[in-house]
Amino acid sequence: SYVLTQPPSVSVAPGKTARITCGGNNIGSKSVHWYQQKPGQAPVLVIYYDSDRPSGIPERFSGSNSGNTATLTISRVEAGDEADYYCQVWDSSSDLVVFGGGTKLTVL
Amino acid sequence: QVQLQESGPGLVKPSETLSLTCTVSGGSISSYYWSWIRQPPGKGLEWIGYIYYSGSTNYNPSLKSRVTISVDTSKNQFSLKLSSVTAADTAVYYCARDNGVVVAATPIFAFDIWGQGTMVTVSS
Repeated sequence: SYVLTQPPSVSVAPGKTARITCGGNNIGSKSVHWYQQKPGQAPVLVIYYDSDRPSGIPERFSGSNSGNTATLTISRVEAGDEADYYCQVWDSSSDLVVFGGGTKLTVL
Repeated sequence: QVQLQESGPGLVKPSETLSLTCTVSGGSISSYYWSWIRQPPGKGLEWIGYIYYSGSTNYNPSLKSRVTISVDTSKNQFSLKLSSVTAADTAVYYCARDNGVVVAATPIFAFDIWGQGTMVTVSS
């Protein structure tokens, strides 16, 4: 089955740029989506189709996807961005939805 | 706007069947894929399966032998049944909607609307 690999944690100072990676075999050929989850809350879609932002998501959130790595970039990080972030794809070969293990973003 | 609400027992005994319903309000259940996703305490997200409004389904192979997802379009609801539960099935269960974006005639399965989640504990 298809596997997505994320770093368990990323730390960043306020105002700086955070980059969270999501690794998978030839992930560049798939559509990658990213979710933000704060404690006790349901996940929120922040990026879909590699780099599109849903309505209401700040422009500080962006995404890219190429080769074996997709990246969620958060610019000008704020304290409120502290959360768990999950990448997700739909694996067309198996018709299955796959989530990465999640990355805890800590704002220093 | 569209909202999802999970409902069902919060406590299920081992070996019994977990049953949850997701009610869709503010919009129609038609023309979308609907999924169940769970999250054990302190762990990551696990996709359980999806159902299309027409009734076609697909399940996570790790749960396939125990899972049934059904839809009732007249009630704007879809449901999850998970049989022979154990403590490992203790989790927050979410229902979610695919955002309907299609690329090259296939859905991309990005979940834009989620229920608030319901905690289900498996214990005697």
